[in-house]
Amino acid sequence: AQSVTQLDSQVPVFEEAPVELRCNYSSSVSVYLFWYVQYPNQGLQLLLKYLSGSTLVKGINGFEAEFNKSQTSFHLRKPSVHISDTAEYFCAVSPHTGGFKTIFGAGTRLFVKA
Amino acid sequence: DVKVTQSSRYLVKRTGEKVFLECVQDMDHENMFWYRQDPGLGLRLIYFSYDVKMKEKGDIPEGYSVSREKKERFSLILESASTNQTSMYLCASSLDTRGGSPLHFGNGTRLTVT
Repeated sequence: AQSVTQLDSQVPVFEEAPVELRCNYSSSVSVYLFWYVQYPNQGLQLLLKYLSGSTLVKGINGFEAEFNKSQTSFHLRKPSVHISDTAEYFCAVSPHTGGFKTIFGAGTRLFVKA
Repeated sequence: DVKVTQSSRYLVKRTGEKVFLECVQDMDHENMFWYRQDPGLGLRLIYFSYDVKMKEKGDIPEGYSVSREKKERFSLILESASTNQTSMYLCASSLDTRGGSPLHFGNGTRLTVT
């Protein structure tokens, strides 16, 4: 079984400041890792994913995430945020053995202030 | 680009009514999913389908059923709506059963049961 813990439910940050959204996971099998973003009144869209290879993954809108196997973490970072990054961010895992069971974290709401 | 369309953005239904939520995807994806999103709980899987007329229960199937008569269409049915089914419902699709295949979401249907 897998579980995903997003360590912060809300993260307020000023515009142009850096941000890190933290995600830890637990799994007895190897997993793929994802970050999704949900803008207000919209569905989720894929931000980035880690399947294999380099542990630093770059996504859309200047976001990146680093997979740390020893710490079972997949933290999301952006060096300089914009007002338009205000959204809810979800970390998710999916087992290598099959893609039906994607497990989502509870979400982190990012507020970017002017 | 994959488009997943949910027929209604907002629905208000009365307790005991039969409710149909419709979802259509236009990219010939094998898999389709229904999730429920509640604050602080992230996304929870209700049902998924990996082929026409095939379905599997997710984590919270009680009170729901589904129908997939055509590959592109996946319907969620609330046989007798109850107030605890007030929620945001998200439909998603994915290309295949590989764990690394990301989910593509519709914009959601916010259902209120009074």
